[in-house]
Amino acid sequence: GAVVSQHPSRVICKSGTSVKIECRSLDFQATTMFWYRQFPKQSLMLMATSNEGSKATYEQGVEKDKFLINHASLTLSTLTVTSAHPEDSSFYICSARELQRETGNIQYFGAGTRLSVL
Amino acid sequence: QQQVKQSPQSLIVQKGGISIINCAYENTAFDYFPWYQQFPGKGPALLIAIRPDVSEKKEGRFTISFNKSAKQFSLHIMDSQPGDSATYFCAASSDTGRRALTFGSGTRLQVQP
Repeated sequence: GAVVSQHPSRVICKSGTSVKIECRSLDFQATTMFWYRQFPKQSLMLMATSNEGSKATYEQGVEKDKFLINHASLTLSTLTVTSAHPEDSSFYICSARELQRETGNIQYFGAGTRLSVL
Repeated sequence: QQQVKQSPQSLIVQKGGISIINCAYENTAFDYFPWYQQFPGKGPALLIAIRPDVSEKKEGRFTISFNKSAKQFSLHIMDSQPGDSATYFCAASSDTGRRALTFGSGTRLQVQP
């Protein structure tokens, strides 16, 4: 299957700082990427849909000014957690939708980023 | 209407046995149903997926059964192995998978040696 690279895998930061997470599709172009958040032993919750060259679409309850998403190219989307606070500590996972495969649109996931805000 | 309900929450199976996880959905617009496997601290990995025009799909030891009229689908893991111990998520999407995935709540599978 296709590969989605997510970096960093883990980050620890002080409260009030900003953290940037990168999501790259390594061997395919992704016009659409998705950002999810996962709490321990829970399911994945969609935060936003990132479309190349346009503004992201955020799910209800997700603060767009806190979670800045940029999708500047067909292979890269970034999520910036601005002014992070301890309640933002979580596991963030991106996925990329592979374009024009015969079997249909398939979403591949990155390995996730564990954010810990002190 | 966007929910995908998954059961059981946890499952213990003996090595060599069959693991069965069930999901049900309400939204008839869903037309793409993947299953993902997730190990602790890792992102979900696509296992197998099905579209509503088929009732069953098999890939190796993994089989999806799909019942469109009942709006249910299930994952069967044959000859379960300790290495299969992980959390499994069913999911659903519409517009032939173009939309974001709606995930089930997950099933923690433990395969005992």
